[in-house]
Amino acid sequence: DVKVTQSSRYLVKRTGEKVFLECVQDMDHENMFWYRQDPGLGLRLIYFSYDVKMKEKGDIPEGYSVSREKKERFSLILESASTNQTSMYLCASSLEVLKGETQYFGPGTRLLVL
Amino acid sequence: AQKITQTQPGMFVQEKEAVTLDCTYDTSDPSYGLFWYKQPSSGEMIFLIYQGSYDQQNATEGRYSLNFQKARKSANLVISASQLGDSAMYFCAMRGGWGDYKLSFGAGTTVTVRA
Repeated sequence: DVKVTQSSRYLVKRTGEKVFLECVQDMDHENMFWYRQDPGLGLRLIYFSYDVKMKEKGDIPEGYSVSREKKERFSLILESASTNQTSMYLCASSLEVLKGETQYFGPGTRLLVL
Repeated sequence: AQKITQTQPGMFVQEKEAVTLDCTYDTSDPSYGLFWYKQPSSGEMIFLIYQGSYDQQNATEGRYSLNFQKARKSANLVISASQLGDSAMYFCAMRGGWGDYKLSFGAGTTVTVRA
């Protein structure tokens, strides 16, 4: 079974702090993704990576950066956390760009910025 | 740009009855894929079913079936014989043509199954 893990289920941070969200997958997937989920908006793509050290902006990259130094690990960084970044963050991975290949999701991190 | 619309924010269904969740989409790609995911209160996203735009038959997976109407650009999910464990949020998502890794998600529909 594919396993995607995220470093924390819940996080509380203060405005202005630097925040790291870590995601690890154990199935040698090329593609990894970071989404944020907000009520009424569904999931919105922040960044994705199709290979080590490669990244592309998603729909809402402002205020975020990412790092992928190893294939299995994809980190989301909030350089200076703000209250409007309070959200649920979901990491996902997928193997190929085949039509029917689903993305596999981690359990999510609920981030509260005070 | 791709867009997914789920117009039902919340639904109630009686146990053992069927429920249909609506999803419409908009894309200019001739080739695309449609997905449905379930998100229980615990937060993890669970893949349910996939339909390719060129698939001739509607997809089915156990109690889940996808009512794909290409001309109307709709991909409704039907859950038959609802169970209490089906209470969750359900998301419709779409991926575009070859080389497009990204999924676009709808806003989701919350389903509550009543005993």
